[in-house]
Amino acid sequence: QSALTQPASVSGSPGQSITISCAGTNSDVGNFNLVSWYQQHAGKAPKLMIYEVNKRPSGVSNRFSGSKSGNTASLTISGLQAEDEADYYCCSYAGSRIFVVFGGGTRLTVL
Amino acid sequence: EVQLVESGGGLVQPGGSLRLSCVGSGFTFRSYDMHWVRQAPGKGLEWVSGIGTPGDTYYSDSVKGRFTISRENSKNSMYLQMNSLRDGDTAVYYCTRGGSGGEFDPWGQGTLVTVSS
Repeated sequence: QSALTQPASVSGSPGQSITISCAGTNSDVGNFNLVSWYQQHAGKAPKLMIYEVNKRPSGVSNRFSGSKSGNTASLTISGLQAEDEADYYCCSYAGSRIFVVFGGGTRLTVL
Repeated sequence: EVQLVESGGGLVQPGGSLRLSCVGSGFTFRSYDMHWVRQAPGKGLEWVSGIGTPGDTYYSDSVKGRFTISRENSKNSMYLQMNSLRDGDTAVYYCTRGGSGGEFDPWGQGTLVTVSS
């Protein structure tokens, strides 16, 4: 059982927008603005898409955005494209003892 | 280009040991925290261990006392000594660079560790 809770799967059609939720607690997501999101295509290494809740690394499309409300973080992908089909993981800093916790991952299917 | 390359994975029997290596290039290795994150077959990501720039170390409860992380800045390298390996340690082990906000970027291609008799 993962520390952060994500839906197992989401789907959307090309051009649509989808949102993936990431529920934590007031010990992780709710206590730090240090949530990151990773995209992982099948058989590949994860790729950082969002950090510090809503910042995009250089080179990541502005179709990806992040937000947080209370103990829940969210990743929104707008203008869905076939290449967005992948697994997405959220991650939150959780203090110096535990360090970070990951969500169980969400499989995005582009219909 | 920032790059991380892992090596050292393989098949090992339960109770055995293995040492993973990670070599970084394209950045000032000594200036960054470094981490190991693993992914069991068909499962999600799990943070395993991290080492700070001054050499401070951190471990998940699942590997504490069995795994040892270290770094050798002169060789732009990080290591993970894994002892008393269990079936549950079977996973792809990724080397990744830590950011100031707890994020991980980039990631290596991963090295597969299989613990089986």
